[in-house]
Amino acid sequence: GAGVSQSPSNKVTEKGKDVELRCDPISGHTALYWYRQSLGQGLEFLIYFQGNSAPDKSGLPSDRFSAERTGGSVSTLTIQRTQQEDSAVYLCASSLFGGFDGYTFGSGTRLTVV
Amino acid sequence: AQKITQTQPGMFVQEKEAVTLDCTYDTSDPSYGLFWYKQPSSGEMIFLIYQGSYDQQNATEGRYSLNFQKARKSANLVISASQLGDSAMYFCAMREGPGNAGNMLTFGGGTRLMVKP
Repeated sequence: GAGVSQSPSNKVTEKGKDVELRCDPISGHTALYWYRQSLGQGLEFLIYFQGNSAPDKSGLPSDRFSAERTGGSVSTLTIQRTQQEDSAVYLCASSLFGGFDGYTFGSGTRLTVV
Repeated sequence: AQKITQTQPGMFVQEKEAVTLDCTYDTSDPSYGLFWYKQPSSGEMIFLIYQGSYDQQNATEGRYSLNFQKARKSANLVISASQLGDSAMYFCAMREGPGNAGNMLTFGGGTRLMVKP
C-alpha cells in the first residue's frame, strides 16, 4: 500500500481482556517498529523487527506484551490481560533504510482500557 | 542518561516570526542520524527534516532548517516565518548506527509549539 496502515484506529476494551493491534507496513520495507505514546508524552519504543533477524524486544514493558511479524510483512502487537495503564496510542512505523526519509508512521491505534 | 533531550515543553511564537526548538542528544556512535517530526492534533507523525552525523552542511527543507552543532551535540530545529498551521507537537529523534541498518529511532519528550495570530 501507499502508507503504513494500522487497525483498528480506536479500541476500547475492558480491563483484563486481551487485545490485538495490527500493522501493515509499506510493501518491501524490511524494518518494522512499534511505539507507544501516552497522552501528552513522547514516543516510547516497544519492539523492532528487521528482516529475518530476531526482533529487538528490549522496549516491551512486561511479559503481557508480545508481537509477531508474519512473512516479513504484517505485524500484530498483542497485549494480554490489559491494564488501565496500557491506555495509549500505539504507533507503528516501517522503513527500508534508516536514512533521511526512511521512517514512515501509521496513524496509530488509540487503546482505551476501562 | 536521556539520549534525546528537549528542554522546552511548550513555546509560543508570533505568526510570521522565526522560532528555534532545542534538541540535544547523547551517543558514542560516530554514525547516527537526527530527525525532526511534527505531530498535529490529528496524531499523525509528519517527517520534517533529517541530518546525518557526517553531513557537512546543515539540513534545510523549505521553512525548516536544522542547526547542527556536532561538538555540542545539539540539533535545533529552526522554523522561519511561522504559520498558524505550524501549531503542533515537535519531536526530535535519533537513529544510532548507519542508515542502512534500519535501527530504531529514539525520541525526545517533545515541544508543543503554539503560533499566535
